[in-house]
Amino acid sequence: SAVISQKPSRDICQRGTSLTIQCQVDSQVTMMFWYRQQPGQSLTLIATANQGSEATYESGFVIDKFPISRPNLTFSTLTVSNMSPEDSSIYLCSVASSFEQYFGPGTRLTVT
Amino acid sequence: GNSVTQMEGPVTLSEEAFLTINCTYTATGYPSLFWYVQYPGEGLQLLLKATKADDKGSNKGFEATYRKETTSFHLEKGSVQVSDSAVYFCALSSISGNTGKLIFGQGTTLQVKP
Repeated sequence: SAVISQKPSRDICQRGTSLTIQCQVDSQVTMMFWYRQQPGQSLTLIATANQGSEATYESGFVIDKFPISRPNLTFSTLTVSNMSPEDSSIYLCSVASSFEQYFGPGTRLTVT
Repeated sequence: GNSVTQMEGPVTLSEEAFLTINCTYTATGYPSLFWYVQYPGEGLQLLLKATKADDKGSNKGFEATYRKETTSFHLEKGSVQVSDSAVYFCALSSISGNTGKLIFGQGTTLQVKP
């Protein structure tokens, strides 16, 4: 199994600002994933982050808006840039291990 | 492309009732299938999984069988409890034989009343 922590757990931000979310895993993993869960909706994959290479973004998500860093095998950050109220969501970090995928507790972001 | 469709909620049941939450999928290849649960105020937890056709995943009294012929992975429980109240997500992996990227259904809210 994998234990994942995220910081911050929640934040309230003003529009136009940026927030960086940190994800820490207790073991080395090749792939890390960032998901978004908009209010009352399902989870949508933002991007896949591999160590030593640029993140791969899903359709509808771009690097300028959601830059991701992956400096080592246990850590990643997701930045939500130039925020608008539509970015209010829960952002979750996830890792894959064998046939299971583990999720962090999420970062609840509110943009005012 | 790959997709997951769940029955719409909310589903409201009395304690000890039988639960079925329908889930169907569209996918190329042979995805793995999952049910995740999100209890109020908590993070997403894996409930059960199945990695190949006819596999049955089970956990905490919940079961789901991977039916390739009907492309379904319905979640069932014989007797629900108030503590089962949560949002349930069906998901599939988009990479055959690996969790890879997960595609989620829209989620089904279950409310169990005493």
